[in-house]
Amino acid sequence: QVQLVQSGGGVVQPGRSLRLSCAASGFTFSSYGMHWVRQAPGKGLEWVAVIYYDGSNKYYADSVKGRFTISRDNSKNTLYLQMNSLRAEDTAAYYCATISIAVAGDDFWGQGTLVTVSS
Amino acid sequence: DVVMTQSPLSLPVTLGQPASISCRSSQSLVNSDGNTYLNWIQQRPGQSPRRLIYKVSNRDSGVPDRFSGSGSGTDFTLKISRVEAEDVGVYYCMQGTHWPPWTFGQGTKVEIK
Repeated sequence: QVQLVQSGGGVVQPGRSLRLSCAASGFTFSSYGMHWVRQAPGKGLEWVAVIYYDGSNKYYADSVKGRFTISRDNSKNTLYLQMNSLRAEDTAAYYCATISIAVAGDDFWGQGTLVTVSS
Repeated sequence: DVVMTQSPLSLPVTLGQPASISCRSSQSLVNSDGNTYLNWIQQRPGQSPRRLIYKVSNRDSGVPDRFSGSGSGTDFTLKISRVEAEDVGVYYCMQGTHWPPWTFGQGTKVEIK
């Protein structure tokens, strides 16, 4: 069955870095664009970044542009989010997801990983 | 950026009764290909989000038929014909027509009275 297994969250001081991972299985990872979406405690969903299926294009939310980098390794079926210069307002649960908009049965979400930015 | 506005933000419902959530976009979500890319997403307490409906009215596999989506242009609605206990959670609309960014509504919290 489809799985997106996330890792890499934790507590980090402001200004430091953290890398999140999302390991995919059960579907053809290399055929899907992949997104990161975050959710601050008690708040709604906020789109963070997307990477094309082949890594050729990447887009970011203004709130993370220049600080976060999305990447993927299709040989390892793994998505990454490198987060630098972290701020308190980056504290959130981060989800990897396919976010399909047009086809049935291909919208998958990870279990989420909590990132807490605090001194 | 397209702003998605949901109402109400809180929706107490009696079991077995219908529920309706509205979502309005700041611009038309009709894409140049003629499709309207509006998803409805459910997030149960303590769980990851899950898509229920795509392209306004298409239910995902495994989604009960008590859930239905409708609308066009800038106005969309998610209806639950008879609310069950497992429907408690937060519901989000999300547009995928004008990207980046993909944008979500604020969320509507459905709870049982």
